[in-house]
Amino acid sequence: GAVVSQHPSWVICKSGTSVKIECRSLDFQATTMFWYRQFPKQSLMLMATSNEGSKATYEQGVEKDKFLINHASLTLSTLTVTSAHPEDSSFYICSARDIDTEQYFGPGTRLTVT
Amino acid sequence: GQNIDQPTEMTATEGAIVQINCTYQTSGFNGLFWYQQHAGEAPTFLSYNVLDGLEEKGRFSSFLSRSKGYSYLLLKELQMKDSASYLCASEYSGAGSYQLTFGKGTKLSVIP
Repeated sequence: GAVVSQHPSWVICKSGTSVKIECRSLDFQATTMFWYRQFPKQSLMLMATSNEGSKATYEQGVEKDKFLINHASLTLSTLTVTSAHPEDSSFYICSARDIDTEQYFGPGTRLTVT
Repeated sequence: GQNIDQPTEMTATEGAIVQINCTYQTSGFNGLFWYQQHAGEAPTFLSYNVLDGLEEKGRFSSFLSRSKGYSYLLLKELQMKDSASYLCASEYSGAGSYQLTFGKGTKLSVIP
């Protein structure tokens, strides 16, 4: 089956620093990747959609200058949380799909900003 | 716009049957997913309905009525390990690809 990995699985950083999260599709080409955020006891909220080689499309209310997304290859997308603050602490989940496939989810990255 | 409603919590007994309902209003609707999510983990795929009707997969079945904007997930022979959140997600066309909008999830507690 299709596998999506995320790295790191958890990270603690200090307020004001930046954190990069990687999302990789291991055995298929991810023409589209998605980034979600999930706060405790809440559902997954789509942050942005990125097609390989194109700029990401951000959902309303998501600051594109704060959450930098790069999808430079068919197997890798990165999310960088810049100048992180405690309110950015959340569970970040990526998913990936090829043209005719469903979305396959990564295991998630738990970010804690102190 | 996209809107999905599902119950917040449900409790059922081990060995029983439980039905989790989901209603949606989705522009550009394509299909309906159900996912299972244990606390602190990513969602795992359970089912996908595009056409009206019932899809059966072992102990889990899912139903879709496109005209009513309604779906349900049916879990049979409940086991303790089925205690989890169940997410209903509608798939729609957007941003050059199919996207998902998730409901808030139904937390299912299976009791002995």
